Amino acid sequence: EAGVAQSPRYKIIEKRQSVAFWCNPISGHATLYWYQQILGQGPKLLIQFQNNGVVDDSQLPKDRFSAERLKGVDSTLKIQPAKLEDSAVYLCASSLFPQGTRYEQYFGPGTRLTVT
Amino acid sequence: RKEVEQDPGPFNVPEGATVAFNCTYSNSASQSFFWYRQDCRKEPKLLMSVYSSGNEDGRFTAQLNRASQYISLLIRDSKLSDSATYLCVVNRLNQAGTALIFGKGTTLSVSS
Repeated sequence: EAGVAQSPRYKIIEKRQSVAFWCNPISGHATLYWYQQILGQGPKLLIQFQNNGVVDDSQLPKDRFSAERLKGVDSTLKIQPAKLEDSAVYLCASSLFPQGTRYEQYFGPGTRLTVT
Repeated sequence: RKEVEQDPGPFNVPEGATVAFNCTYSNSASQSFFWYRQDCRKEPKLLMSVYSSGNEDGRFTAQLNRASQYISLLIRDSKLSDSATYLCVVNRLNQAGTALIFGKGTTLSVSS
């Protein structure tokens, strides 16, 4: 079974530039998550989709971050304009079911963003 | 108070040692608990779920104390390959059902 795919794997941009990340979840997984992991920290949930609808974006900095999941499959996360503090690894994850006590989230390899 | 708190370590132990990690969580409504493992520059992967009755998977034992809102992970007979960051994870209820909240992680280094 193919895992969660993400691209690009690495990105270096200057502050105030824009950047977009792409994620393709595991086939059949209805729930998709974007996390931000700053060095030395655990992953922080930015946004959660159930199919193509947003169910939790409480920690997404909406003035500069946006995300969409058209057709309920692939997703893109955009930052515009980027700040130095956005330097982090952006992880995409998917799960079969969001509920229950035994579901598992599968993570992609992440995109390492450096803002200079 | 952070939703999930862990001692960041690092824990430096020799091969064969037993090591324990602790974690506390603040939301008493949390129902699901996990330990994830993250290798350096890799993505997190589920190590084990944590059940109320406690559970064991080979050399790994997880315990949950709901009254104290405390989770633990015990690793026996440590191997070099156990070197990684261990993330304590707790669910938070949301519109879709649940979202996962990760601790900062505890770093383990096992040496020969």
